[in-house]
Amino acid sequence: SAVISQKPSRDICQRGTSLTIQCQVDSQVTMMFWYRQQPGQSLTLIATANQGSEATYESGFVIDKFPISRPNLTFSTLTVSNMSPEDSSIYLCSAEGLAAKETQYFGPGTRLLVL
Amino acid sequence: EDQVTQSPEALRLQEGESSSLNCSYTVSGLRGLFWYRQDPGKGPEFLFTLYSAGEEKEKERLKATLTKKESFLHITAPKPEDSATYLCAVQAYSLSGSARQLTFGSGTQLTVLP
Repeated sequence: SAVISQKPSRDICQRGTSLTIQCQVDSQVTMMFWYRQQPGQSLTLIATANQGSEATYESGFVIDKFPISRPNLTFSTLTVSNMSPEDSSIYLCSAEGLAAKETQYFGPGTRLLVL
Repeated sequence: EDQVTQSPEALRLQEGESSSLNCSYTVSGLRGLFWYRQDPGKGPEFLFTLYSAGEEKEKERLKATLTKKESFLHITAPKPEDSATYLCAVQAYSLSGSARQLTFGSGTQLTVLP
């Protein structure tokens, strides 16, 4: 199984600022994803982080708001730009390995509060 | 579009009272159905992956089963430490074979009373 860490674990930010969240996996993985979990809700996929190319965004999420980097097979970042209180959520990173029936493991999440 | 519906939304059980959680799904081509446990303030913890109808998996007091339309998570003689939100998710085959995102249900919040 993959062990995933995220930094920061939580943050309180002011409206209009940006926050970059880091995700580190302890082994090389093929797929990395970013999800958002709003208070009391389930997980919604933001984007797939592609190594060496632009991320693939889901409907309703755009690169200007959520720029993503993935410089190698173990690391990715998600930036939440020009934040508003509506961006207050838990942001989760997940990763899936190389085998055909690998499962998808999640990091502990980053709890973001925007004032 | 893939869809996942979980029921009930919330379930309260007495310690030792067995029950089942339901996950109904529609997906174009199922690669896998996943069950996760999520404790408050934490990321989802992987429990099971089921790949084909008829498959069953067990772990301690939990048993997951799969049909062509739904999955059940059976909890036998639950304990208070089983209290958590249980999430079901489906993963579909994509045309390119590379997209492996999960579509989640809204979860079942389980409370086991001592």
